[in-house]
Amino acid sequence: QKEVEQDPGPLSVPEGAIVSLNCTYSNSAFQYFMWYRQYSRKGPELLMYTYSSGNKEDGRFTAQVDKSSKYISLFIRDSQPSDSATYLCAMSGGTGGFKTIFGAGTRLFVKA
Amino acid sequence: GAVVSQHPSRVICKSGTSVKIECRSLDFQATTMFWYRQFPKQSLMLMATSNEGSKATYEQGVEKDKFLINHASLTLSTLTVTSAHPEDSSFYICSARSLTGLTEAFFGQGTRLTVV
Repeated sequence: QKEVEQDPGPLSVPEGAIVSLNCTYSNSAFQYFMWYRQYSRKGPELLMYTYSSGNKEDGRFTAQVDKSSKYISLFIRDSQPSDSATYLCAMSGGTGGFKTIFGAGTRLFVKA
Repeated sequence: GAVVSQHPSRVICKSGTSVKIECRSLDFQATTMFWYRQFPKQSLMLMATSNEGSKATYEQGVEKDKFLINHASLTLSTLTVTSAHPEDSSFYICSARSLTGLTEAFFGQGTRLTVV
């Protein structure tokens, strides 16, 4: 079993839709939870991070962490074609140390 | 936000030659840098963790003599792919973390290496 599971997609939605991206993980010691956006042939860009459980909102993006279920989510409201990218969840911390473990990434396409 | 600059963005080299990739933190001191490799449509695979002034820690299965990492200053780490082979062709990405910063928040732009 992988430490972090993420559906690679692709996920295709119309412009304006609400997008839900999810990851599950197995190491209950993780404390930092991140979402990165990666455009083709570019390095990942940090979108959101959350420490421990809870929700965090930043503009059109909302990150949720449910440590009891070992489940994290990223919601994108009013999706735009410019949101089309690969979204990677990542986590680290606790007994896992400061190494970051990444999900496989979900490819998102937002159609105009 | 903090900026990490990676150079070159693309490089083509002949089999048997060596290639050096640089990773610089432009506006903060990076006590730790990470080197990743990414295959098409796959996630990032950590190759090694580099701490300033000490030897890099390599992940299992990564040849330390092939992928030489140097982190001589708080703003620069280099990855040298020695005696490159076509199977080394990949996308290499670095990331940097400061002493007080979030766990590994900032990535370089990546380097597309093609070995012919």
